[in-house]
Amino acid sequence: SQQGEEDPQALSIQEGENATMNCSYKTSINNLQWYRQNSGRGLVHLILIRSNEREKHSGRLRVTLDTSKKSSSLLITASRAADTASYFCATDANSGYALNFGKGTSLLVTP
Amino acid sequence: GAGVSQSPRYKVAKRGQDVALRCDPISGHVSLFWYQQALGQGPEFLTYFQNEAQLDKSGLPSDRFFAERPEGSVSTLKIQRTQQEDSAVYLCASSPGLAYNEQFFGPGTRLTVL
Repeated sequence: SQQGEEDPQALSIQEGENATMNCSYKTSINNLQWYRQNSGRGLVHLILIRSNEREKHSGRLRVTLDTSKKSSSLLITASRAADTASYFCATDANSGYALNFGKGTSLLVTP
Repeated sequence: GAGVSQSPRYKVAKRGQDVALRCDPISGHVSLFWYQQALGQGPEFLTYFQNEAQLDKSGLPSDRFFAERPEGSVSTLKIQRTQQEDSAVYLCASSPGLAYNEQFFGPGTRLTVL
């Protein structure tokens, strides 16, 4: 069963705009991760935020975590066509090692 | 260095056939995971190995699914008597160990059961 839920399911923006994706989850976590998946490829790790952190930055990525609301957001600033992909949040709930993924947000960035 | 590799990349099987999917993790990675990703969904956990020990197989959907990692490196996911509902992308991931949260994914094997 899916632990996380991403919102929106699909997002279409133009190059240079910011993209925001949200993730909600159900149970307590140690950390939350965001992954990117290009069409037909495996997942690539983007960023990890621990449960005692509220915000984290990596290049053009900004992730926030609100454990009281069991939610996280991923912001991609100044988007590029190469950012077109599906984005998944994943938590380590339950086992502490197996990742529980949401259904993902499909991002399309047009030139 | 080389990432996680999987073979074959694509597999078409007739219903009832047995299939074997291979995963070569990053050298030295202790932890190995298998996930199943249905079309339009996120990956779902199947099983976890620490070295050669299969510590968790709670996600395997039926006893037709079997995974092994006999020497603690390469892993094989075997599906017996394939059914149409087994059609999915099977992803393998590895990580240096339990204390390391990030998982490194292979490109997946797309299985289509006719």
